[in-house]
Amino acid sequence: AQTVTQSQPEMSVQEAETVTLSCTYDTSENNYYLFWYKQPPSRQMILVIRQEAYKQQNATENRFSVNFQKAAKSFSLKISDSQLGDTAMYFCAFMKTDNAGNMLTFGGGTRLMVKP
Amino acid sequence: KAGVTQTPRYLIKTRGQQVTLSCSPISGHRSVSWYQQTPGQGLQFLFEYFSETQRNKGNFPGRFSGRQFSNSRSEMNVSTLELGDSALYLCASSLAVGLSGDTQYFGPGTRLTVL
Repeated sequence: AQTVTQSQPEMSVQEAETVTLSCTYDTSENNYYLFWYKQPPSRQMILVIRQEAYKQQNATENRFSVNFQKAAKSFSLKISDSQLGDTAMYFCAFMKTDNAGNMLTFGGGTRLMVKP
Repeated sequence: KAGVTQTPRYLIKTRGQQVTLSCSPISGHRSVSWYQQTPGQGLQFLFEYFSETQRNKGNFPGRFSGRQFSNSRSEMNVSTLELGDSALYLCASSLAVGLSGDTQYFGPGTRLTVL
């Protein structure tokens, strides 16, 4: 079974600064997908970024980028130029690619507070 | 395109009752998954439906069941409710172009409170 660990329960950052959220995972699979989702106070889960394990290039989406270290089984999220609207719970998630459907395994989450 | 919709948004039930939650996926999406979110257990996978068939199931008791209709809409049912079933139930849909690896898009959730 896969496990996903987010070691930082809470973090805070000043507006306009950069913050990095950590995620590690444990799997024996070679091919898989990794995701970061954001859940603001509204509770709507929003996709932030997705990474395919077979791609060496780190995914980026505007101010969001990841540092994917496959050998270390690490998948951190960097948020640049933090904005007040980035305040949310952030969840790291893992999905196998064994042709058995789509099932996400989530980490425990990191609560990020962006301060003005 | 409209997002994933879930109804009702809030629900209050008493122990022993049963409840049915509904999820309408994004138009064209064929896979629907359900997750339970609680403060203690976090986000846990319940089950996934594709082409009206359950494709995956998480580690939940048989009181939790679901189904998918021909238009991809899905319902989940919880029978004999327990206090511990109080949670946010999230539905997610995906295109299901491949057999796995599809990005899931989430609905706003149904907040279930069991008294």
